[in-house]
Amino acid sequence: EVQLVESGGGLVQPGGSLRLSCVASGFTFSTYSMNWVRQAPGKGLEWVSYITLSGSTTYYADSVQGRFTISRDNAKNSLYLQMNSLRAEDTAVYYCARESYVGGWIDPWGQGTLVIVSS
Amino acid sequence: EIVMTQSPATLSVSPGERATLSCRASQSVSRNLAWYQQKPGQAPRLLIYGASTRATGIPARFSGSGSGTEFTLTISSLQSEDFAVYYCQQYNNWPPKTFGQGTKVEIK
Repeated sequence: EVQLVESGGGLVQPGGSLRLSCVASGFTFSTYSMNWVRQAPGKGLEWVSYITLSGSTTYYADSVQGRFTISRDNAKNSLYLQMNSLRAEDTAVYYCARESYVGGWIDPWGQGTLVIVSS
Repeated sequence: EIVMTQSPATLSVSPGERATLSCRASQSVSRNLAWYQQKPGQAPRLLIYGASTRATGIPARFSGSGSGTEFTLTISSLQSEDFAVYYCQQYNNWPPKTFGQGTKVEIK
């Protein structure tokens, strides 16, 4: 069974930093690109970032460009999201999600980890 | 950036009835469109990709259609477990991958 388990969320002050982790199991992690997608409380889905299977290429939403960094460690079957200069509007559940093998759609998704940015 | 617009925002349907959800793209996305279902407190689940291909394990009562800028998700006979929020997502021209704002299907 494919599983994605996020961790690292919590309460952080504006301007602070947080590192999210996602551990993958049930599939060959190194052969899939990965995404982070977030959902603010009561709101819709917002794609945040993408990384290719080797980590050589990354993309970011404009809203996080320059503040967030996606990375992966294929030896540890792990995906990361380093979040710096956090703002109140970054408050959301952050989902780790696998890119489809063909590319484009997202499946499956982890259960999410909640990040709250507040003083 | 391609903007995805879903309608209606909320759809009230009785169990057993048909539900039709719409998704419009601000420019053509060909058939590079996916639909997701999200229940309260849960992660989204892939229903449809390629505009009309059901994902593994998705019941046949879910069907997708459309191409270009206009897409439809149809649930032929709503079951109690289908009451949820549904999102469309385009992957024709990205980054960024963009989602619609969602349609909530509620019990009438």
